[in-house]
Amino acid sequence: DVKVTQSSRYLVKRTGEKVFLECVQDMDHENMFWYRQDPGLGLRLIYFSYDVKMKEKGDIPEGYSVSREKKERFSLILESASTNQTSMYLCASTRDSYEQYFGPGTRLTVT
Amino acid sequence: AQSVTQLDSQVPVFEEAPVELRCNYSSSVSVYLFWYVQYPNQGLQLLLKYLSGSTLVKGINGFEAEFNKSQTSFHLRKPSVHISDTAEYFCAVSDADAGNMLTFGGGTRLMVKP
Repeated sequence: DVKVTQSSRYLVKRTGEKVFLECVQDMDHENMFWYRQDPGLGLRLIYFSYDVKMKEKGDIPEGYSVSREKKERFSLILESASTNQTSMYLCASTRDSYEQYFGPGTRLTVT
Repeated sequence: AQSVTQLDSQVPVFEEAPVELRCNYSSSVSVYLFWYVQYPNQGLQLLLKYLSGSTLVKGINGFEAEFNKSQTSFHLRKPSVHISDTAEYFCAVSDADAGNMLTFGGGTRLMVKP
């Protein structure tokens, strides 16, 4: 079974802090994604990566950056957290983009 | 850009009743269609997908969906729901012209009552 893990299930940070969300997949997938999930808005794509050190902006990249130094790991970085970044963050991976495999999510609260 | 509309944000239904969750997408020449389910405090899990072939797709847990190209719809159905089906359901579309990225609908919360 494909396994996608995220470093934290719940995280509370203060405004202005730098925040790292980590995602690891164990199936040698080339493609990895970061989404945020908000009520009524579904999932919105923040960034994705199709290879090591490669990244592409999604629909809502402002205020975020990413890092992919190894194939299995994809990190989401909030350089200076703000309250409007309070959300559920979901990581996913896929080999062919037809089916994405999701991690359990990180619920981030910024106070 | 592709857009996906799930017409109902919440659907309450009694146990053992049938249910239909509606999904419409903006028109495109070639699309792939998905339904995902999210149980409380979990990530998303694939229920079923349409890539090509038969327009009636069967998935896990007794769910099925029908691809209707003329109406640009991909509605999810189950003839008899269980309490354990209580979850949020997301319709997603991959447009071949957009590099197969997924666009998600806003989600439908299915609430099954005893």
